[in-house]
Amino acid sequence: DAGVTQSPTHLIKTRGQQVTLRCSPKSGHDTVSWYQQALGQGPQFIFQYYEEEERQRGNFPDRFSGHQFPNYSSELNVNALLLGDSALYLCASSQGRKKAFEQYFGPGTRLTVT
Amino acid sequence: AQTVTQSQPEMSVQEAETVTLSCTYDTSESDYYLFWYKQPPSRQMILVIRQEAYKQQNATENRFSVNFQKAAKSFSLKISDSQLGDAAMYFCAYTSMKTSYDKVIFGPGTSLSVIP
Repeated sequence: DAGVTQSPTHLIKTRGQQVTLRCSPKSGHDTVSWYQQALGQGPQFIFQYYEEEERQRGNFPDRFSGHQFPNYSSELNVNALLLGDSALYLCASSQGRKKAFEQYFGPGTRLTVT
Repeated sequence: AQTVTQSQPEMSVQEAETVTLSCTYDTSESDYYLFWYKQPPSRQMILVIRQEAYKQQNATENRFSVNFQKAAKSFSLKISDSQLGDAAMYFCAYTSMKTSYDKVIFGPGTSLSVIP
């Protein structure tokens, strides 16, 4: 049973560039949430996708956007990168909404902005 | 707004000994879940233990147990017979069954070192 997978593992970008991170949910899961974890801090909720729509959003600017595909996989896009966007980006999946208590996390993508 | 606080940035324990990690949270709701997650250097966020607020009995998972004090809004994790593999960042976390049911709110974490 494949767990949550994320790609790439590491990524280095320059300020002002755009980046796309990818997530495949655990088999049987249809809901994907994204979190940002800055160095030395706990993860912070960015947004959640269910039925190909953004359902809930945390306190992040519009530079952060996402997409969910019919196969339930998801992308996180960040535009106009800032140094402060350097972080570990975690994807979590669950079976249906209102199931954060049963989320499974992926290994994350480490983004470095120079 | 719901918040989670972990007042111990770093802790250490001798191998085979017992250690307790502290966590407090703030919420006005009565129906929620609390969690302890472990994040080793591999970065994978692993669920250690989960507690449903309506259950008075403290959750246990092998060497891991919690002390859930709902009135005090306290949720500590006890690790017994500590092993080298327990060394990691530990995050206390919360999710509401009503208002924030789609997201988990994390504390800042406690870095646990295990001394051989």
